[in-house]
Amino acid sequence: SQKIEQNSEALNIQEGKTATLTCNYTNYSPAYLQWYRQDPGRGPVFLLLIRENEKEKRKERLKVTFDTTLKQSLFHITASQPADSATYLCALVGDTGTASKLTFGTGTRLQVTL
Amino acid sequence: DAGVIQSPRHEVTEMGQEVTLRCKPISGHNSLFWYRQTMMRGLELLIYFNNNVPIDDSGMPEDRFSAKMPNASFSTLKIQPSEPRDSAVYFCASSLGVAGGQYNEQFFGPGTRLTVL
Repeated sequence: SQKIEQNSEALNIQEGKTATLTCNYTNYSPAYLQWYRQDPGRGPVFLLLIRENEKEKRKERLKVTFDTTLKQSLFHITASQPADSATYLCALVGDTGTASKLTFGTGTRLQVTL
Repeated sequence: DAGVIQSPRHEVTEMGQEVTLRCKPISGHNSLFWYRQTMMRGLELLIYFNNNVPIDDSGMPEDRFSAKMPNASFSTLKIQPSEPRDSAVYFCASSLGVAGGQYNEQFFGPGTRLTVL
């Protein structure tokens, strides 16, 4: 069966360090992968999209990699700040026939401390 | 732009009652999605619409759930009768959908926290 796995345990890091979050998937062939941020009591907010033919995408302090061989995406936040504390969700686009459909991982909570 | 608007923000009801959740997508977006989020199951897609037409409702858990989109600016998700296991946060999201091969991000509303006693 199809599965998207993110580390369910919270990631605690110190301010200024690089946070790395992992998204692994099985039985998918996604054309796109997206990352979202969710703060408590709010809806997810889109951060980055990466296509299957792109190995890396950057946006300010954020970097996403996409390895279709390993079936894995890594999400990096460099020079992390306490304001980066949130839950981060990866999401895969469904099969071609349902190109609008996203399937979300369960998310990883990031806590950045001073 | 006001973003995606959902109402009510909180709903507490008793088992067996009908619940109607409402969503107004971002103007110009042609795709609308209903999700349910719980601690156990995470964020699950219930149903989505393209151009007001339901495309995939395979995530709707039971016949007790129904969704409509009578026009491009309004959608409802109804649960009748409600049960305690329906307690969750329900999100509505909208997007430009797939346009010219570019898959577009989804914009989420603030959610409706539903508690069924």
